[in-house]
Amino acid sequence: GENVEQHPSTLSVQEGDSAVIKCTYSDSASNYFPWYKQELGKGPQLIIDIRSNVGEKKDQRIAVTLNKTAKHFSLHITETQPEDSAVYFCAASTIKAAGNKLTFGGGTRVLVKP
Amino acid sequence: EPEVTQTPSHQVTQMGQEVILRCVPISNHLYFYWYRQILGQKVEFLVSFYNNEISEKSEIFDDQFSVERPDGSNFTLKIRSTKLEDSAMYFCASRGDRGLIDTQYFGPGTRLTVL
Repeated sequence: GENVEQHPSTLSVQEGDSAVIKCTYSDSASNYFPWYKQELGKGPQLIIDIRSNVGEKKDQRIAVTLNKTAKHFSLHITETQPEDSAVYFCAASTIKAAGNKLTFGGGTRVLVKP
Repeated sequence: EPEVTQTPSHQVTQMGQEVILRCVPISNHLYFYWYRQILGQKVEFLVSFYNNEISEKSEIFDDQFSVERPDGSNFTLKIRSTKLEDSAMYFCASRGDRGLIDTQYFGPGTRLTVL
């Protein structure tokens, strides 16, 4: 089955700097890659996702890139702010009727220092 | 904005007891999921549910687990005889019907503690 590895496990950045989180996946059939942000006491919240027919997607300060050949994808947060502090999860999924289970990476705890 | 809700937020039970975790998915969603996260580990898929039946389940989801959509709004996860290793955060998720790829929206989770 699919295996998703995520690095780093913790990331400390100065406010205003960029943060990059990287994930690799094993199943070449995976074609949907969401990123979730989890704040304390809350469930994971989708922040951005990318389909396998796209190499890059951007939404304001957040961008995701996908390299299908190398089977890795990355989350980029620019101009980080204290409210970006949270745990971020990458995930991978395969199109499947009535399924689409997500396989998650191990998470990255991001701390943005003011 | 519609959201997935889960009750209770924290459940403490004795080993061997049955527990039912409850979820109210977003109202017009058709696909429902349970995931769990043992402390310090990855979020793991348990089961997906569509059209009143299980569409996929993981190896974790053995005979001790069952899911049900008893009415038009609730989606439940039952663990028949809890074990210590069932202690985890359990997340419910739901998604709509905009094609096969669509966002899964997660609830806040139920922390299950088995003593």
